[in-house]
Amino acid sequence: AQSVTQLGSHVSVSEGALVLLRCNYSSSVPPYLFWYVQYPNQGLQLLLKYTSAATLVKGINDFEAEFKKSETSFHLTKPSAHMSDAAEYFCAVRTKTSYDKVIFGPGTSLSVIP
Amino acid sequence: NAGVTQTPKFQVLKTGQSMTLQCAQDMNHNSMYWYRQDPGMGLRLIYYSASEGTTDKGEVPNGYNVSRLNKREFSLRLESAAPSQTSVYFCASSERPPSTDTQYFGPGTRLTVL
Repeated sequence: AQSVTQLGSHVSVSEGALVLLRCNYSSSVPPYLFWYVQYPNQGLQLLLKYTSAATLVKGINDFEAEFKKSETSFHLTKPSAHMSDAAEYFCAVRTKTSYDKVIFGPGTSLSVIP
Repeated sequence: NAGVTQTPKFQVLKTGQSMTLQCAQDMNHNSMYWYRQDPGMGLRLIYYSASEGTTDKGEVPNGYNVSRLNKREFSLRLESAAPSQTSVYFCASSERPPSTDTQYFGPGTRLTVL
């Protein structure tokens, strides 16, 4: 069965510092992987996705993530945090055997300190 | 385009009461989903509809029923609400899988069951 773990339920960074949010997955088949962001009192929106093309995926607002099969990881990074990045971030996996469904991780809340 | 809309935004119920959460999308998507979001647990799939006329159970279907009324609308019904169903409910949609994987989310319904 597929699953997603996110290390750290809460991460704080200073404005301008590197953002690193960790995601590890388990899947018996090559996965599709996603990062979604949820701003306060809103629904989720897609940041970026990996669908077996390039392993380094670029998304909106200068976020990017690298798929590492050997480490079963899909960590999210951003070179310089902005105050507007404060939100909840969810990693998700969809396997090619259950393409109707996505499994979400528990989420990481990002705080940005001025 | 409005995207995915949900009604109501907030609801308070007493134990044993029933209610229906409404969801509609105007993107001509085939697939629609209902999730619940609880602190520390991410999003969990309640039911999904891969196409008009079909529905399937997700991870946590007990206590819920769904209706895919037409291609645009997908409703979630709580027949006899319980305090354990206090949660934030999100509806989402996507194009027919697996041609595209992005899900588009509504703004959510915050439900409290007393």
